[in-house]
Amino acid sequence: AQTVTQSQPEMSVQEAETVTLSCTYDTSESDYYLFWYKQPPSRQMILVIRQEAYKQQNATENRFSVNFQKAAKSFSLKISDSQLGDAAMYFCAYRSWNYGQNFVFGPGTRLSVLP
Amino acid sequence: GAVVSQHPSRVICKSGTSVKIECRSLDFQATTMFWYRQFPKKSLMLMATSNEGSKATYEQGVEKDKFLINHASLTLSTLTVTSAHPEDSSFYICSAPWSRSGGQETQYFGPGTRLLVL
Repeated sequence: AQTVTQSQPEMSVQEAETVTLSCTYDTSESDYYLFWYKQPPSRQMILVIRQEAYKQQNATENRFSVNFQKAAKSFSLKISDSQLGDAAMYFCAYRSWNYGQNFVFGPGTRLSVLP
Repeated sequence: GAVVSQHPSRVICKSGTSVKIECRSLDFQATTMFWYRQFPKKSLMLMATSNEGSKATYEQGVEKDKFLINHASLTLSTLTVTSAHPEDSSFYICSAPWSRSGGQETQYFGPGTRLLVL
């Protein structure tokens, strides 16, 4: 079974600064997806970024980028130019490659953005 | 984009009663839906996989007689918490996968249902 670990229960960053959230995972599969989801106080899950394991290039979405190290099974999220609206719970998630598979979520990191 | 809705958004019930939570895919068909449970300040834990036209698949430790799942159509899955007790109080979230023909799969989350059992 797959597991996802986030070793930072809480993080804080100054507005406009950069922060990196850590995630490691364990799997025996070679093809899979990795995700970062944001959950604001509304509790709606919002997709931040996704990475296909077969892609060597790290995914980027505007201010959000990942450092995907497949051999090390590491998948960190970097948020640049942090904004107050970035404050939320961030979940790292794993999903198998086959269609219609469930997510395996990490325990989450609560990010605070300081003005 | 595809949307998944949940109803109700929050419900308060007395201990011993049953509560039904609906998860609907509004503009796509979902043969599979997932039900997750989230305790306060905790992560999402998969409870069960809902399959249209067949029985749901439950995760280890989830009581199938306690959490009844019915996937009666391609756009609706329901989770019924039977004989609810205070320990069933939680946030319940559904998700559904979708992809355009030949395209990449995306999963859409419902907004969640907050259940409080008194």
